[in-house]
Amino acid sequence: EVQLVESGGGLVQPGGSLRLSCAASGFTFSTFEMNWVRQAPGKGLEWLSYISSTATTIYYADSVKGRFTISRDNAKNSLYLQMNSLRVEDTAVYYCARGLGNDYDSWGQGTLVTVSS
Amino acid sequence: QSVLTQPPSASGTPGQRVIISCSGDSSNIGSKAVNWYQQLPGTAPKLLIYRNNQRPSGVPDRFSASKSGTSASLAISGLQSEDEADYFCAVWDDSLNGWVFGGGTKLTVL
Repeated sequence: EVQLVESGGGLVQPGGSLRLSCAASGFTFSTFEMNWVRQAPGKGLEWLSYISSTATTIYYADSVKGRFTISRDNAKNSLYLQMNSLRVEDTAVYYCARGLGNDYDSWGQGTLVTVSS
Repeated sequence: QSVLTQPPSASGTPGQRVIISCSGDSSNIGSKAVNWYQQLPGTAPKLLIYRNNQRPSGVPDRFSASKSGTSASLAISGLQSEDEADYFCAVWDDSLNGWVFGGGTKLTVL
């Protein structure tokens, strides 16, 4: 069974940093592209970043470019999102997602990040 | 303001057919495949339709979708109470080099 489990969320002050992790199991992680998507409380979905299976191709949404960094460790079956210079408007549930728009599309349960003083 | 435009709400009675629209432009819907997600309250989004009109295994054939030009639509027939959820369209945008989502449509089953 495909499982994606996010962790690392929590309360952080504006300007602070946080590193999210996504542990993958039940499939060959190294062969799939991955994404981070977030959802602010009561709001819609916002795609943040994409990383190819070998990390050779990376894309970011303009809203996080220069502040967030996506990475992966295929040996550890893990996806990461390093978030720096956090703002109040970054408060959201952060999801990792495999293969958006494909029949193998799959999402984790999400981890809540709250940016507040 | 989302790149893709969806109505914020839709409703229907059990057994009815409901259609949810999603409007974009030539850099997204006009040139790329559209996907639809269902998000039940308190849960993660789940893929409902991929590549314009394909259903993943396990998705009932009550759910169907189509695309024409720069617009797409999701149809739910034989509406059931468990269909009450938020529905999002999503597509890759060539000009942004990223995925874009619609603002979401909250479906209420009356």
